[in-house]
Amino acid sequence: EAQVTQNPRYLITVTGKKLTVTCSQNMNHEYMSWYRQDPGLGLRQIYYSMNVEVTDKGDVPEGYKVSRKEKRNFPLILESPSPNQTSLYFCASSLSERTDTQYFGPGTRLTVL
Amino acid sequence: AQRVTQPEKLLSVFKGAPVELKCNYSYSGSPELFWYVQYSRQRLQLLLRHISRESIKGFTADLNKGETSFHLKKPFAQEEDSAMYYCALGYSSASKIIFGSGTRLSIRP
Repeated sequence: EAQVTQNPRYLITVTGKKLTVTCSQNMNHEYMSWYRQDPGLGLRQIYYSMNVEVTDKGDVPEGYKVSRKEKRNFPLILESPSPNQTSLYFCASSLSERTDTQYFGPGTRLTVL
Repeated sequence: AQRVTQPEKLLSVFKGAPVELKCNYSYSGSPELFWYVQYSRQRLQLLLRHISRESIKGFTADLNKGETSFHLKKPFAQEEDSAMYYCALGYSSASKIIFGSGTRLSIRP
């Protein structure tokens, strides 16, 4: 089944403890992106990648890192999480290197204490 | 700066009534506009794009560059239309995207 998967789906952690949220797609998509969703703010783009080894900042990149070593994977790394990064995170991918039609993952709910 | 505004957080209409979800954008370049929908317990998914000018599930949206709007419309609401709707703007050669804060549509029987 063609889809975008994210792991873990739920995570509770403490301030400063490095964590990685994985994202994988099996559709051979060029474009991948990370978003955070907060009440009243909609989705805000954190980072995106137009292809392997090509990444760039979205609107809210501070405190996050990403890498794109393989086409299918686009992990989101929080080197030193803080409580203001408590949020619902979505990964998405699209066929072309433009935003196009994006396919979303199920979301990861992160709580930083 | 780029901006997408959805003025209504919640819109409640009766089944069979017309629906209009408002979306206004701010962007000096040529916009690419989308409507995404999230049904209960489902993933966010694309509903329609302005560039394809199609009708999906009875919904249409017309880009009005003069009013910088991309309102979503449906002539007769159905109960299964109840969901969260997000308007989105693609910019910077469409490599970046910005979403509105969303409108929750509730269809009353």
